[in-house]
Amino acid sequence: SQKIEQNSEALNIQEGKTATLTCNYTNYSPAYLQWYRQDPGRGPVFLLLIRENEKEKRKERLKVTFDTTLKQSLFHITASQPADSATYLCALDTDTNFGNEKLTFGTGTRLTIIP
Amino acid sequence: DGGITQSPKYLFRKEGQNVTLSCEQNLNHDAMYWYRQDPGQGLRLIYYSQIVNDFQKGDIAEGYSVSREKKESFPLTVTSAQKNPTAFYLCASSGGRSNQPQHFGDGTRLSIL
Repeated sequence: SQKIEQNSEALNIQEGKTATLTCNYTNYSPAYLQWYRQDPGRGPVFLLLIRENEKEKRKERLKVTFDTTLKQSLFHITASQPADSATYLCALDTDTNFGNEKLTFGTGTRLTIIP
Repeated sequence: DGGITQSPKYLFRKEGQNVTLSCEQNLNHDAMYWYRQDPGQGLRLIYYSQIVNDFQKGDIAEGYSVSREKKESFPLTVTSAQKNPTAFYLCASSGGRSNQPQHFGDGTRLSIL
């Protein structure tokens, strides 16, 4: 069966360090992968999209890598700040017949940046 | 500002009652989605619609119904057939082409009295 796993349900990182979150998948061959941020009681907010032919994508302090051989994406936040504390979700396109995009989401990693 | 509006923020339902959750978008998006979020389970797709007057079941459609009479609106009805309706419900929309991000509302939390 298809499966998306995100490392540890919760991750605590010291302020200023780099936070690294992992998204592993099995039985998919996604054309792209997306990362979202979700704050408590709010809807997810899109952060970054990386395509299967891209190894790395950056946006300010965020960096995403995508290894289709390992079936893994890594999401990095450099120089982390307490304001980065949130749940981060990865999502893969899992229905190539859909036309638009049908995403399957991982369960998320709750990141806490400790001052 | 463009966005997605979900209402109400909190909703309470009595046993055996149907309730309807509202979702409106002014982003001119073709595709709209409903997800359910439970602790530790991530987002699960209930229904989605690619175009007005058309919609498809997602992974957990049983006990739910939708309509898409207008491009801007995609209401979700939680029927009495849904035995475990307590959850956080999220509506999203996207531009209608592949590789487009989804834009989410801020959710409706449904509880059973």
